[in-house]
Amino acid sequence: QLVLTQSPSASASLGASVKLTCTLSSGHSGYGIAWHQQQPEKGPRYLMKVNSDGSHRKGDGIPDRFSGSSSGAERYLTISRLQSEDEADYYCQTWDTGTHVVFGGGTKLTVL
Amino acid sequence: EVQLVDSGGGLVQPGGSLRLSCEASGFTFTSYAMSWVRQAPGKGLDWVSGISTSGSSTYYADFVKGRFTISRDNSKNTLFLQMNSLRAEDTAVYYCAKGGDGAVAYFDYWGQGTLVTVSS
Repeated sequence: QLVLTQSPSASASLGASVKLTCTLSSGHSGYGIAWHQQQPEKGPRYLMKVNSDGSHRKGDGIPDRFSGSSSGAERYLTISRLQSEDEADYYCQTWDTGTHVVFGGGTKLTVL
Repeated sequence: EVQLVDSGGGLVQPGGSLRLSCEASGFTFTSYAMSWVRQAPGKGLDWVSGISTSGSSTYYADFVKGRFTISRDNSKNTLFLQMNSLRAEDTAVYYCAKGGDGAVAYFDYWGQGTLVTVSS
């Protein structure tokens, strides 16, 4: 079964960097994922697609501070030079082509 | 500029029906699959349904199969979600989402959402 696992929460200081992790279920390590950001009281916003080889493609207007990478079944979102507006929920998402879409449970990022 | 404008939400009694709409602009609507995603109050995101570019293929999450129907009118750049037999647990903000790379895969643009409340 295709499942994505995320830590419920993370925190980092203003100006620092943070690396969020999304883990694909066993047998699905070759899947790509997408990262989405949801700021408080707002709708989701697409950040980037991250492929299994670590390559990634960002959405329109996403700052260079956001980057993606991969290792095995893990997909990462790294945010550098944290700003207060980065405090948000971050969701990873994957798919079985044309049949099924799955979201991780989300990570709530607190900027200290 | 890509825009997705969701509408049609509201208060409905259990067992009732509602039809959501999503008006799309700023891209070639006929070239992209579309989906509906929902978010219950205080909860995470759940994919509800997806539809291919032509509308000939549709996909549903198990929890809405047989109750919800997704469709699209490519002549009007509009996506729909017909929701029947609504339950309290269907209460959520519903977002339409544009498929990246043309398929029902990942989503590269989102609507602003429309709130559906199922309550007596």
